[in-house]
Amino acid sequence: QKEVEQNSGPLSVPEGAIASLNCTYSDRGSQSFFWYRQYSGKSPELIMSIYSNGDKEDGRFTAQLNKASQYVSLLIRDSQPSDSATYLCAVNIIQGAQKLVFGQGTRLTINP
Amino acid sequence: EPEVTQTPSHQVTQMGQEVILRCVPISNHLYFYWYRQILGQKVEFLVSFYNNEISEKSEIFDDQFSVERPDGSNFTLKIRSTKLEDSAMYFCASRYHGTAQGYTFGSGTRLTVV
Repeated sequence: QKEVEQNSGPLSVPEGAIASLNCTYSDRGSQSFFWYRQYSGKSPELIMSIYSNGDKEDGRFTAQLNKASQYVSLLIRDSQPSDSATYLCAVNIIQGAQKLVFGQGTRLTINP
Repeated sequence: EPEVTQTPSHQVTQMGQEVILRCVPISNHLYFYWYRQILGQKVEFLVSFYNNEISEKSEIFDDQFSVERPDGSNFTLKIRSTKLEDSAMYFCASRYHGTAQGYTFGSGTRLTVV
């Protein structure tokens, strides 16, 4: 069973601060990693993908990947109240057919 | 921006009834998926579909479930005899050949079994 683990939170961060979300995964063969944002009652929305070790920046978001440690993280700079959501870490598993396996999500609240 | 479209957005059904959830994936995508999310729980893989056949299914996807791509655009999930525990959000997803653009999810169907 390929697992993806996240701290379920809730994580509370003041507006303007950096929010740091973490994820570990068990499948050493995985090559593609994604962060999705999910508002309550809505579908997952892709915000970042990362494939290589190191950092990838897109606006206020930075994804970090360390394959040796099987660790993915997401940093949100200058956090806004609209960033309040559940953040889902997802790993593309290649075992037979490809599929995404999700962590349980971290609920993030940005306090004005 | 291309979208994955799901209908209906909310379906209420009586236990034991059959339901069909519908999805229209992005037109040039090749791989299609159904996921479900029970309230407060993680998003779980149900089934993947490629080249008009199931490529993988999870333990959840038992004989009560089936999928079909009847006309080259729609992708359906049928639950033959619904149980109370089938109540969940069901998400359709699709992707192109690689994963560079990720998997695109539809807006979901909330299924309530009473």
